[in-house]
Amino acid sequence: DAKTTQPPSMDCAEGRAANLPCNHSTISGNEYVYWYRQIHSQGPQYIIHGLKNNETNEMASLIITEDRKSSTLILPHATLRDTAVYYCIVRAESNYQLIWGAGTKLIIKP
Amino acid sequence: GAVVSQHPSRVICKSGTSVKIECRSLDFQATTMFWYRQFPKQSLMLMATSNEGSKATYEQGVEKDKFLINHASLTLSTLTVTSAHPEDSSFYICSARILAEHNEQFFGPGTRLTVL
Repeated sequence: DAKTTQPPSMDCAEGRAANLPCNHSTISGNEYVYWYRQIHSQGPQYIIHGLKNNETNEMASLIITEDRKSSTLILPHATLRDTAVYYCIVRAESNYQLIWGAGTKLIIKP
Repeated sequence: GAVVSQHPSRVICKSGTSVKIECRSLDFQATTMFWYRQFPKQSLMLMATSNEGSKATYEQGVEKDKFLINHASLTLSTLTVTSAHPEDSSFYICSARILAEHNEQFFGPGTRLTVL
């Protein structure tokens, strides 16, 4: 079973920041939080990952709460091409397996 | 980032035929490749893990005689769906693992299989 909980769907206006929440209350100390997205009929695409500290890259920012029980993926300026299913996954670095939940279907509206 | 390709991108076949799907790591060597299956509006389900030069490890409920996996080189793994039936119609996705990159998995674009 997936170890994360995400809302099934969200809408966001084009140009606005999209904030996608994820609950992972049973996360272990050695587990990272990973985010992937899957655009319709394509393979998953890695977005970002983090352990404790907030992370930022060219695609997104990841905010992890101090107790690490939840996190938020932020797409700062959403475009129509960001419409996809976003998956939050927790895994230990030594464990290569990814357990996929249902994800959040993000729809960016013009 | 690392690139993984799949071929073909889509295939339509008649019931009872076999279909081979190739997964290649283009700019790196992958000791481990994974095969996933995804039905419409569902999440990815891991089918099997293949290590170069050894037999694949199948997940519970996946028939190893129906889904033949060969990982003969560090850049190529193949999945053969034998005697395909309409219920095997699905989106098949492979990924490759890079040990040096924190066990990251890089995904192929997927293959859409339709069995008539």
